[in-house]
Amino acid sequence: AQSVTQPDIHITVSEGASLELRCNYSYGATPYLFWYVQSPGQGLQLLLKYFSGDTLVQGIKGFEAEFKRSQSSFNLRKPSVHWSDAAEYFCAVGLAGGKLVFGAGTILRVKS
Amino acid sequence: NAGVTQTPKFQVLKTGQSMTLQCAQDMNHEYMSWYRQDPGMGLRLIHYSVGAGITDQGEVPNGYNVSRSTTEDFPLRLLSAAPSQTSVYFCASSYSGHQETQYFGPGTRLLVL
Repeated sequence: AQSVTQPDIHITVSEGASLELRCNYSYGATPYLFWYVQSPGQGLQLLLKYFSGDTLVQGIKGFEAEFKRSQSSFNLRKPSVHWSDAAEYFCAVGLAGGKLVFGAGTILRVKS
Repeated sequence: NAGVTQTPKFQVLKTGQSMTLQCAQDMNHEYMSWYRQDPGMGLRLIHYSVGAGITDQGEVPNGYNVSRSTTEDFPLRLLSAAPSQTSVYFCASSYSGHQETQYFGPGTRLLVL
């Protein structure tokens, strides 16, 4: 069965430091992969997505993610974190029917 | 465009009561879904629809009903609320299938006492 694992429940980084959020997936075919962000009390917003082509994907707000088939990973990165990036981040794999299977999420805290 | 709208924003129910969570989108999207979000579990799919008149179950469908009579609306019905249904519910829509961006509503926070 398809699944998504986000190993880190919480991550704390200093403002201006780099960030990497980990995501591993289990899927039999070429996956359609997404990163969403959820600010407190808000809905989910798409950061970026991958479904073919270049394995390094650029998204909004300065985020990027790299698809590594050999490691079944799709890690999210940002070179310099801003206080406004504090939120919960979800990795997801897309399935037929417009369905998403989500990881449990990673809560990012940014310290000044 | 209003995007995906959900009502109500917050609801308190007593065990055994029924209610309907409303979801509407004005983007002419064929695909719509309902998810519930619980701490430490991410979002889990309840029901989904690939077009008017077509619905199917997701990962956690028990205790919930859906129907899709129009492209715009996809209501979620709780038949007899239970405390285990205390959660935040999100509706989402997309133009087509699994490679498309899902657009999420702002959520409905439900408390069942």
